[in-house]
Amino acid sequence: GQNIDQPTEMTATEGAIVQINCTYQTSGFNGLFWYQQHAGEAPTFLSYNVLDGLEEKGRFSSFLSRSKGYSYLLLKELQMKDSASYLCAVVDSNYQLIWGAGTKLIIKP
Amino acid sequence: SQTIHQWPATLVQPVGSPLSLECTVEGTSNPNLYWYRQAAGRGLQLLFYSVGIGQISSEVPQNLSASRPQDRQFILSSKKLLLSDSGFYLCAGSRVGRDVSEQFFGPGTRLTVL
Repeated sequence: GQNIDQPTEMTATEGAIVQINCTYQTSGFNGLFWYQQHAGEAPTFLSYNVLDGLEEKGRFSSFLSRSKGYSYLLLKELQMKDSASYLCAVVDSNYQLIWGAGTKLIIKP
Repeated sequence: SQTIHQWPATLVQPVGSPLSLECTVEGTSNPNLYWYRQAAGRGLQLLFYSVGIGQISSEVPQNLSASRPQDRQFILSSKKLLLSDSGFYLCAGSRVGRDVSEQFFGPGTRLTVL
C-alpha cells in the first residue's frame, strides 16, 4: 500500500530552526509537495521537489532524497505566524496526490 | 492566478437532510478538480476528482456524489446526510499540462451534521 509518515506534532521556539521530516512509500514517484495549513483554513502551497537536493525559498527550504524515500521541510527564524500544520504529499505513478496526515507545529515565545 | 470560490463557509444540517456544496474556479480553463474531506486533526481524504465536464472518479464508497455540469463548476451532493459526514470539505483544482502542478484550494466548508 501507499504510506506517508510525518510526526504528529512538534514544538519549537520563536527565532529558532525546525526540521519537519516526511518519509514515503508509494507506487511510483512524480514529485513531493509541502503545504502549510493554518487552523480552520485551506492548505497553501509551499514547495515542490522532484529532483534530489535542497530547494530554498526565503525562510523555508525543502529537501528530497528519492533513494531514501525521504523529505524534510526546514523553517528558519521561526515566527509565531508559522504555527500551523505542515502537510507532505507525494505524486504517485498515476499522478494522484497521496497526502500525509500533517505535522502540527507549535511555536512558543 | 487561479482562484477557487466555495460556499457556504459553515453549515449545520440535521441527519437525513440533503446536501449541496458548490465550487467554482477562476483563472484557468479545463482544470482538474477535486473534493476532499478533512476530519479534525487529520489529513486530507480524496472523495472525488474530475478531469472534465461530466467526468467524475470516486475514490471512496459513501453516500456522497459529485457532478461537474460546467468546466469551472464542481458540486458535491448527498441525498441523506449521516453523522459521519461531518468534517471540513475542501474543493481544489490544478492546471493541466505536461508538468505536475500544485493544487490550489478553496476556503473550505465546515459541515456539522447533528
